[in-house]
Amino acid sequence: QQQVKQSPQSLIVQKGGISIINCAYENTAFDYFPWYQQFPGKGPALLIAIRPDVSEKKEGRFTISFNKSAKQFSLHIMDSQPGDSATYFCAASRAGGSEKLVFGKGTKLTVNP
Amino acid sequence: DGGITQSPKYLFRKEGQNVTLSCEQNLNHDAMYWYRQDPGQGLRLIYYSQIVNDFQKGDIAEGYSVSREKKESFPLTVTSAQKNPTAFYLCASSPYDRGAGELFFGEGSRLTVL
Repeated sequence: QQQVKQSPQSLIVQKGGISIINCAYENTAFDYFPWYQQFPGKGPALLIAIRPDVSEKKEGRFTISFNKSAKQFSLHIMDSQPGDSATYFCAASRAGGSEKLVFGKGTKLTVNP
Repeated sequence: DGGITQSPKYLFRKEGQNVTLSCEQNLNHDAMYWYRQDPGQGLRLIYYSQIVNDFQKGDIAEGYSVSREKKESFPLTVTSAQKNPTAFYLCASSPYDRGAGELFFGEGSRLTVL
């Protein structure tokens, strides 16, 4: 019930392509879905987040799509760039503090020039 | 600049030794957290603290200890009881009144047990 399943584990995309990372959850009490981006040797940083009252949120080239009935959400990176090469973590949380945050296992994205 | 400072960045330890990782924040955040990151395992919560002089166990607290004597500081001790301590350790903080999800991370400390 507490798991967030993330796929794929790794992804290779050509520059200019679309990167898509998927996450699925079981706990219907989750109400906050952030994505974190982590560069090698650094800590993760919040990239974009969504709440279940909307089905899509876009910030620049990054879009979260949310399907409440399927209990799935995904990150789309349009016009992928080599600088987007990083590990991406989805997460989910229910009401309360950040100690409730459950992370997926991460996707290592490589964007080839 | 506001942020979270972790030290040391790299640490080597012999088996049987305790080691303490430092985490300091100047963001005036109430809540602080320690996560462990292993390849392919995501981030797992070790301990968290929502207020000074109080802290709670996370999912993998065994073999670890913490203290929260000041709002700015949340050191983590990896004890000799931790069976597999080699990992990347991340400290984070959040403004607790914003609710779940918005974590600010430090740059991490990589511990290697020789």
